[in-house]
Amino acid sequence: SYVLTQPPSVSVAPGKTARITCGGNNIGSKSVHWYQQKPGQAPVLVIYYDSDRPSGIPERFSGSNSGNTATLTISRVEAGDEADYYCQVWDSSSDHQSWVFGTGTKVTVL
Amino acid sequence: QLQLQESGPGLVKPSETLSLTCTVSGGSISSTTYYWGWVRQPPGKGLEWIGIIYYSGSTYYNPSLKSRVTISVDTSKNQFSLKLSSVTAADTAVYYCARGPDVDMNWFDPWGQGTLVTVSS
Repeated sequence: SYVLTQPPSVSVAPGKTARITCGGNNIGSKSVHWYQQKPGQAPVLVIYYDSDRPSGIPERFSGSNSGNTATLTISRVEAGDEADYYCQVWDSSSDHQSWVFGTGTKVTVL
Repeated sequence: QLQLQESGPGLVKPSETLSLTCTVSGGSISSTTYYWGWVRQPPGKGLEWIGIIYYSGSTYYNPSLKSRVTISVDTSKNQFSLKLSSVTAADTAVYYCARGPDVDMNWFDPWGQGTLVTVSS
């Protein structure tokens, strides 16, 4: 089965840039979607199709995807960005369809 | 604005069947554009996809849960449901329903608020 690996944690000072990676075999050939989950809340889609932002998501959130790594970048980090972030792909490479989530990254704003 | 709401028992005994329903409001579950899905999250852990259903009844299930999972849809009530049989403590989790993926098999959005189901005697 397809595996997505994320760093368990990322720490960043307010106003700086946070980069969250999502590693997977040839992930650049897949569409990657990212979710933000604050404590006690449901996940919220923040990036789809590698780099598109849903309406209402600040431009500070951006994404990229190439090779074996996809990256979610949060610019000018704010305290309200502190949350868990998950990447997700659709995998049809095996004999079944699967929607795979990454292991998750906790972003801490210092 | 599309909204989803999970409902069902918060406590299930080991070996019994977990049953949850997701009620969709602000949109039709008979949409030809989207599937409807279930995702769970054990306490303190990550997200796990359970399965999805199309309004016609077509389903895809997580292979690791397939033998125990049934997802069904009731278009007359704008609801879809999850049944997970032979539960154990490892099935204790917050269960989310969500719209998605679309017919191109992409993301889940929006999500319900989630409901905690505890498996315990």
